[in-house]
Amino acid sequence: DAGVTQSPTHLIKTRGQQVTLRCSPKSGHDTVSWYQQALGQGPQFIFQYYEEEERQRGNFPDRFSGHQFPNYSSELNVNALLLGDSALYLCASSSKQGVSGKTQYFGPGTRLLVL
Amino acid sequence: DAKTTQPPSMDCAEGRAANLPCNHSTISGNEYVYWYRQIHSQGPQYIIHGLKNNETNEMASLIITEDRKSSTLILPHATLRDTAVYYCIVRLSLTGNQFYFGTGTSLTVIP
Repeated sequence: DAGVTQSPTHLIKTRGQQVTLRCSPKSGHDTVSWYQQALGQGPQFIFQYYEEEERQRGNFPDRFSGHQFPNYSSELNVNALLLGDSALYLCASSSKQGVSGKTQYFGPGTRLLVL
Repeated sequence: DAKTTQPPSMDCAEGRAANLPCNHSTISGNEYVYWYRQIHSQGPQYIIHGLKNNETNEMASLIITEDRKSSTLILPHATLRDTAVYYCIVRLSLTGNQFYFGTGTSLTVIP
């Protein structure tokens, strides 16, 4: 059973560019959440997708956008990159079904460096 | 969502039990307590969660006080591979899935 997968593993961009990160959820999961983790900090919630719609959003600007596909995979897009966007981007999947707290399972992350 | 307070760092001798505390004094009745750990910039790994009762799985035990204002994660026989940052999180079960991570406890298991 494949867990959460993310691509690419590492990425280098320059200021002002745009980037797309990809996530495939764990088998059987239908909800994808994205987090940003700066060095030395805990992950910060960006947004969550369910049924191909953004359902909840954290305190991130509109430069951060996403998409969920019918197969539940998801993309995170960041426009007009800033140096401060350098971080580990984490994808987590979960299921809307079940009563046990909807545990999230995280992927290995994509390390983004903005120069 | 309720905030959590954890000590920034702890040491534990290999083979001994590691007891990681977490305060969540503003937790409400329908908020779950979750524990995750993160090993050197890998993705966070789910450990255990609970609502009111103590829980145990193959990785750890979770002890929640009766008033639910604090909890302790217990790793019964710590190994070097348990060296990681441990996050205690409370999450409202009814309104979605975002977790609010703090800065966690950096646990070092010493040989």
